[in-house]
Amino acid sequence: QVQLVESGGGVVKPGGSLRLSCATSGFSFSDFFMTWIRQAPGKGLEWVAYISATTNVFYYGDSAQGRFTISRDSATNSLYLQMNSLRVEDTAIYYCARVRGRYSFIDFWGQGTLVTVSS
Amino acid sequence: QLTQSPSSLSASLGDRVTITCRASQGISDYLAWYQQKPGNSPKLLIYDASTLQSGVPTRFSGSGSGTEFTLTISSLQPEDVATYYCHRYNTAPPLTFGGGTKVEI
Repeated sequence: QVQLVESGGGVVKPGGSLRLSCATSGFSFSDFFMTWIRQAPGKGLEWVAYISATTNVFYYGDSAQGRFTISRDSATNSLYLQMNSLRVEDTAIYYCARVRGRYSFIDFWGQGTLVTVSS
Repeated sequence: QLTQSPSSLSASLGDRVTITCRASQGISDYLAWYQQKPGNSPKLLIYDASTLQSGVPTRFSGSGSGTEFTLTISSLQPEDVATYYCHRYNTAPPLTFGGGTKVEI
């Protein structure tokens, strides 16, 4: 079955960096668009970044533009999110998610990894 | 932009519950609904406005097209306590979600 397992979250000071990973299994990773969605404590869902199946198309939300980089590795079936210049307002649970088709809906979500930005 | 209403509701077991999602422009039937139980990640319930995802109980249904959509729970069960989100797709990012509707017993 489809599995998405995030890791790499933790506590970091403002201005610091973190790299989130998402290990995938149960499907042909290279065939699917993937995305990162975050959820601040007690808040709704906020889209962060999106990557095409072939890695040549990327999109970023306003909050991520210029600071975050999404990438993928088909050799290891993994998705990544490099986060630099972190701010207190980046504190959230970060979910890795699979997109069913090109610009389609999200059909599977990971369990999430918590990122806390605090001095 | 997607606007959900109400933002929260309280209903009794067995009640029929309806949640609305309004789009700021027509999106045909490119709308999905997710359920997020406390402490869990979201789970896909419905896509293409009315197609039930495999394994989802049939008490859940979706309808609508264009700018107005509804998610209906025909008979509220204890395990349905959750926050529900709508999501539009079939367009390049940004991905858009509604603000969520918290359902309580």
